[in-house]
Amino acid sequence: GAGVSQTPSNKVTEKGKYVELRCDPISGHTALYWYRQSLGQGPEFLIYFQGTGAADDSGLPNDRFFAVRPEGSVSTLKIQRTERGDSAVYLCASSPKAGTGISFGELFFGEGSRLTVL
Amino acid sequence: QKEVEQDPGPLSVPEGAIVSLNCTYSNSAFQYFMWYRQYSRKGPELLMYTYSSGNKEDGRFTAQVDKSSKYISLFIRDSQPSDSATYLCAMEKDSSYKLIFGSGTRLLVRP
Repeated sequence: GAGVSQTPSNKVTEKGKYVELRCDPISGHTALYWYRQSLGQGPEFLIYFQGTGAADDSGLPNDRFFAVRPEGSVSTLKIQRTERGDSAVYLCASSPKAGTGISFGELFFGEGSRLTVL
Repeated sequence: QKEVEQDPGPLSVPEGAIVSLNCTYSNSAFQYFMWYRQYSRKGPELLMYTYSSGNKEDGRFTAQVDKSSKYISLFIRDSQPSDSATYLCAMEKDSSYKLIFGSGTRLLVRP
């Protein structure tokens, strides 16, 4: 596809359940990011991948959150034992190059996966 | 205190008005300053970015950065109803890839 694709677009789950959110970046983009956007707030950084490895996972809120990118393309964000406070839009973004600063490439965001934990 | 502060609005203006959107920040290490536009239920899209201080113009949009005051602005001239969206400022330190976003200002341009 032309842009970053995220599935599902909407996910409603019950407290305590396990959730997986998928991101398919723009073809050829090396860097991949996950952000979380709560209602009325700006996106907050969760994790950054250069290729297959997580270069920085310092934004993950706790050990219930985990993300993988096994082949350097598609990434999955996994949330265990979901809590109501996990409800948010989870945004994935990719950029052409791995590096630092926007001069290394604009971030292209997907439309997000809207997670609601009841 | 948040690192980046932004008035949430909403800001309602008539079509054709000049719009001024602003952010303040506290961390002097920020070097890249960006403005993103986010339509409802869509992802943010980059409008403009500036490195360090100064002005940058792109069509109807002008971005300004005043590092001495830790204040950035986005001006939209001849605003259109299609400009109605949430505008997010974002900042980045040198040698970093993390964007720090403001909370966004919701703009409504009335026909």
